[in-house]
Amino acid sequence: GQQVMQIPQYQHVQEGEDFTTYCNSSTTLSNIQWYKQRPGGHPVFLIQLVKSGEVKKQKRLTFQFGEAKKNSSLHITATQTTDVGTYFCAVQRDTGRRALTFGSGTRLQVQP
Amino acid sequence: EADIYQTPRYLVIGTGKKITLECSQTMGHDKMYWYQQDPGMELHLIHYSYGVNSTEKGDLSSESTVSRIRTEHFPLTLESARPSHTSQYLCASIGTGNTEAFFGQGTRLTVV
Repeated sequence: GQQVMQIPQYQHVQEGEDFTTYCNSSTTLSNIQWYKQRPGGHPVFLIQLVKSGEVKKQKRLTFQFGEAKKNSSLHITATQTTDVGTYFCAVQRDTGRRALTFGSGTRLQVQP
Repeated sequence: EADIYQTPRYLVIGTGKKITLECSQTMGHDKMYWYQQDPGMELHLIHYSYGVNSTEKGDLSSESTVSRIRTEHFPLTLESARPSHTSQYLCASIGTGNTEAFFGQGTRLTVV
């Protein structure tokens, strides 16, 4: 079954407001990935975090990996309408062949 | 640019029909995945493969089957389509030593 819980399920913000989505696991993760899926599109890889406490930035996006490697967050500063979509975290299963499984996603809607 | 292709993009088919969804990648990736996703919802892993002649079922119970006779090809077959199979099916691949998953455009299946 699913290894990570992702919250919130949905968020509606005004353009210019910040946005954060969180992924939480009950077990220690080897790494975590983040993907973005535009409406009607397919998931596109954003970033991978591997190290405890790691922070990475991509323009207005900031990704964090918790110290215990059990949680992660994606923060968008000053959202724009181009940020609309669903953001997924993804992890490798801790059993078997370590297949890639996805969190439930956070759908972001940005009001102009 | 990812070189992973899914056909058909859209398919409407009658109940009881047998269908095969095609997925091909030209990147030489060893790992390939099938996910099922309802609009705006989470991705459910239904099948994955770690190489030729290596396939395993994912988390979501599925009445579909897969085969991996060639590295580049990972078709998914429904022996007898039902309305409950109506969904989007996404194929993805990951290369050896890599972590980024590349997705195809997806097949939107409607069973009437």
